[in-house]
Amino acid sequence: DAKTTQPPSMDCAEGRAANLPCNHSTISGNEYVYWYRQIHSQGPQYIIHGLKNNETNEMASLIITEDRKSSTLILPHATLRDTAVYYCIVRLSGGYNKLIFGAGTRLAVHP
Amino acid sequence: DAGVTQSPTHLIKTRGQQVTLRCSPKSGHDTVSWYQQALGQGPQFIFQYYEEEERQRGNFPDRFSGHQFPNYSSELNVNALLLGDSALYLCASSTALPSGIYEQYFGPGTRLTVT
Repeated sequence: DAKTTQPPSMDCAEGRAANLPCNHSTISGNEYVYWYRQIHSQGPQYIIHGLKNNETNEMASLIITEDRKSSTLILPHATLRDTAVYYCIVRLSGGYNKLIFGAGTRLAVHP
Repeated sequence: DAGVTQSPTHLIKTRGQQVTLRCSPKSGHDTVSWYQQALGQGPQFIFQYYEEEERQRGNFPDRFSGHQFPNYSSELNVNALLLGDSALYLCASSTALPSGIYEQYFGPGTRLTVT
């Protein structure tokens, strides 16, 4: 079973920041938080990951709370192309560990 | 473009038949994982191949089997197809970085319809 909880859907206006929350209250000390997204009819795409510090890359920012029990993925200036299902996943590092997907959050970006 | 390719794109099979799906990993990747995604659900892990051996397996019956070739490409075989096997089958490739952190790159998937 997925170890994360996400809202089933969210809306965002184009050009505004999209803040996608994720709860992972049972995360262990050596588990990372990963975010993937899946645009309709495509394979999931890696976005970002973090352990305990906030992370930023060209796609998004990841804010992890100090107790690591929740996190927020931030798309700073959402575009219509960001409409997708976003998955928050916790997993150990290393190549042995499968990705366990939940239902994700369906983000709709509208004009 | 993640570089992972899958074939065929779409496939229609009849209940009871057998099917083989193919995956070529991203250049430089040595690990291939397969996932099944039913309509409206998140992908479910089937198994992972590394060094031509199945390294990890999800909760799928023995009707699902796989193979990895020396060039790291992989096949997923499903025998005795059931209507419930209709899904998008995703292949993901990866390689372990020195830090132990790695990303899985997904292909576009094969849409299997069982009638």
